Amino acid sequence: QEQLVESGGGVVQPGRSLRLSCAASGFTFSSYAIHWVRQAPGKGLEWVAAIWYDGSDKKYAASVKGRFTISRDNSKNTLYLEMNSLRAEDTAVYFCARDPYYYGSGRGNLDLWGQGTLVTVSS
Amino acid sequence: QSVLTQPPSVSAAPGQKVTISCSGRSSNIRNNDVSWYQQFPGTAPKLLIYDNDKRPSGIPDRFSGSKSGTSATLGITGLQTGDEADYYCGTWDSSLSAWVFGGGTKVTVL
Repeated sequence: QEQLVESGGGVVQPGRSLRLSCAASGFTFSSYAIHWVRQAPGKGLEWVAAIWYDGSDKKYAASVKGRFTISRDNSKNTLYLEMNSLRAEDTAVYFCARDPYYYGSGRGNLDLWGQGTLVTVSS
Repeated sequence: QSVLTQPPSVSAAPGQKVTISCSGRSSNIRNNDVSWYQQFPGTAPKLLIYDNDKRPSGIPDRFSGSKSGTSATLGITGLQTGDEADYYCGTWDSSLSAWVFGGGTKVTVL
């Protein structure tokens, strides 16, 4: 069945880096935009970044711009989030989510979500 | 402070109806489609409504969505204890070039 599975989370010290992965299966990964969304403990959803189906367009939340990089390898059906200069406020469960439309088209929605991976930034 | 504004909580008795509002502005709700997500504790969000008022396959017709101007609304009729969850609205914001979510609304069945 259609599935997204995140991995790579863990405990990391402030200022260090971490790379998350999101493996897709059961659908044509290369046809979809994909988003990263995070949720701090006890808090609401916060959008992090999005990438167009071929990687030609990327968008970032102001809170992570310049520190995080979203990328994808369609040959491996995998999405990545490279996180640098991590801060305590980046502590959250990170979800990847599929979007059947171009997010800037006005029709986007997140129709398939992974189970999430927890990132804890602490010394 | 979320770009989209939702009430923190709503409640009603079993079988009753609740509505959840989502207020935004022209750069997001007015000019872009709204979607709604249901999230149970410790689990991933799930798409409930897309394109303002459409339900994905498998979502019961007790759930409905609407949009007017800069506001959107999620309705749940025939409330069940299994509907107790957090609900989020979301859409693209053309000015921010960012996806935005509401702060979330906790539904409680009394």
